[in-house]
Amino acid sequence: GDSVTQMEGPVTLSEEAFLTINCTYTATGYPSLFWYVQYPGEGLQLLLKATKADDKGSNKGFEATYRKETTSFHLEKGSVQVSDSAVYFCALSESNNDMRFGAGTRLTVKP
Amino acid sequence: NAGVTQTPKFRVLKTGQSMTLLCAQDMNHEYMYWYRQDPGMGLRLIHYSVGEGTTAKGEVPDGYNVSRLKKQNFLLGLESAAPSQTSVYFCASSYAGGRGQPQHFGDGTRLSIL
Repeated sequence: GDSVTQMEGPVTLSEEAFLTINCTYTATGYPSLFWYVQYPGEGLQLLLKATKADDKGSNKGFEATYRKETTSFHLEKGSVQVSDSAVYFCALSESNNDMRFGAGTRLTVKP
Repeated sequence: NAGVTQTPKFRVLKTGQSMTLLCAQDMNHEYMYWYRQDPGMGLRLIHYSVGEGTTAKGEVPDGYNVSRLKKQNFLLGLESAAPSQTSVYFCASSYAGGRGQPQHFGDGTRLSIL
């Protein structure tokens, strides 16, 4: 079945450092890919998405490119802030009733 | 904008007790979902609904029941709680079908079974 694998955390960075969180997927068809962010005590919020190969999703300085050839959707940000501290989830969906999530990566940014 | 609202936010139960978690959305979404979140395992789908009066099983449905009597509400029931059901439960909704539709999440219910 479909699955998502993302890099294990926790990840700790200094403010203004470059961020990469790796995500790879396995799918039988042609999924849409998502990154969600979860702040402490809150639910998941959509951060960005991409629906076809070579699409780049972007939001709040975060970017991820849908790479079909490597089945990857790595999350990047050029300069992280303390306010980016959260848990990040990679997810895929081949139909609207079956979204599969990775295990989550906890990011802590220190001033 | 309320979005997706879950009640209660916290609950402690004893083994064998029953309870119902309520999810309400005000976005007129057709699809609604219940997930559980456990450490190191991401979110796993318990049950979902594609419209009023419909429900279907997800990845981990055992020990849970659901009902969607009104379009805006989706209830998750535990008939006889077990310690293995200690988790954080999230409700989500989405507008319609199609693989590109994102889901909108509530803030979660933290449930402990003693």
